[in-house]
Amino acid sequence: RKEVEQDPGPFNVPEGATVAFNCTYSNSASQSFFWYRQDCRKEPKLLMSVYSSGNEDGRFTAQLNRASQYISLLIRDSKLSDSATYLCVVAGYALNFGKGTSLLVTP
Amino acid sequence: DADVTQTPRNRITKTGKRIMLECSQTKGHDRMYWYRQDPGLGLRLIYYSFDVKDINKGEISDGYSVSRQAQAKFSLSLESAIPNQTALYFCATSAGKGTYEQYFGPGTRLTVT
Repeated sequence: RKEVEQDPGPFNVPEGATVAFNCTYSNSASQSFFWYRQDCRKEPKLLMSVYSSGNEDGRFTAQLNRASQYISLLIRDSKLSDSATYLCVVAGYALNFGKGTSLLVTP
Repeated sequence: DADVTQTPRNRITKTGKRIMLECSQTKGHDRMYWYRQDPGLGLRLIYYSFDVKDINKGEISDGYSVSRQAQAKFSLSLESAIPNQTALYFCATSAGKGTYEQYFGPGTRLTVT
């Protein structure tokens, strides 16, 4: 079983829509969790860390459910500039990356 | 200036050639990593180093070697390049000390013909 699994995508949504991505991880001892954003052929960039209490950064909300080993990312009021691949990442001795979910926001 | 730089940014080489990819960072981080990314496979760890005297194999180290020349420099070598090493290679750094966030360089696109 892959350590980090994500929704396969792609997600095509209109501007202004709310979209949610989900991710599950297999190692119950994992301590740190992140969402990264990757634009085509560019490097991954840290979007936000994910905490057990949930955290919000503007239009982005991340949630962690340790009991279910589940992580989510909610994007409200989608913008064209949100189009990218979103990587769910779980920290062990190195980072374990999901394969990513592609988001396309259309006018 | 970018905190994590990689050279070259693009490289085309022939099968059997030796090639070195270089990574430098000005973030002052102790930990450095090399990943490769292939379509449909995501990011996979090749090697990582927690300090200058520490080198560890990652998930897919066969066919690769690394050198940590200084805290700020970590290079990846392909001793004898083969076509299935065609990929996008990323270097990353992290501070360690209880933090896990990694910061990536811009990547090197390598093509082996």
